[in-house]
Amino acid sequence: EVQLVESGGGLIQPGGSLRVSCGASGFTVSGNYMSWVRQAPGKGLEWVSVISSGGRTYYADSVKGRFTISRDNSKNTLYLQMDSLRAEDTAVYYCTRVADGYNQAFDYWGQGTLVTVSS
Amino acid sequence: EIVLTQSPGTLSLSPGERATLSCRASQSITSSYLAWYQQKPGQAPRLLIYGASSRATGIPDRFSGSGSGTDFTLTISRLEPEDFAVYYCQQYRSSLWTFGQGTKVEIK
Repeated sequence: EVQLVESGGGLIQPGGSLRVSCGASGFTVSGNYMSWVRQAPGKGLEWVSVISSGGRTYYADSVKGRFTISRDNSKNTLYLQMDSLRAEDTAVYYCTRVADGYNQAFDYWGQGTLVTVSS
Repeated sequence: EIVLTQSPGTLSLSPGERATLSCRASQSITSSYLAWYQQKPGQAPRLLIYGASSRATGIPDRFSGSGSGTDFTLTISRLEPEDFAVYYCQQYRSSLWTFGQGTKVEIK
């Protein structure tokens, strides 16, 4: 069974850094495109970043230069390192799998981890 | 960047009625890369439709998608109580993904 479990969210001051993690089971992170999608409180979905099976990374303009996506194949875990955090980065961060068989749609989602940027 | 605009913002309907949700793209997109998701309060989104018209595994056949170019539609043929939720369209192009702002389907 495919499962994605995020962790690492919390309260962080503006300008600070935080790393959120996503443990995967039932498939290999390295064999798939993996992505982060966020949702600010009461708002819609915003795509954040993706890492390809080959390790290429892409980012939304809103986080480019501040966030870094990575993975640890030995732990089958995806990460999002968030630096220079701003109040507008406050959101639930979802880890998702990009389904090649579903034309680049997101077929599995974690339960999300809340990141709150506030002083 | 391709912008997706969903309408209406809120749709008030009764169980058993037909729901028609629209998603319009700011430029023509490949229908293969248009998807729809359902999100209920406190839950992660769930993939409903991919490739504009193909249902994901386990999705009931009352959900259908159509469209091409810049105009896409999600139709729920007969609303069940569990279908009242927020629906998002999403597109993919050149390693970038974008979502529409969502349509809330609420009980009238």
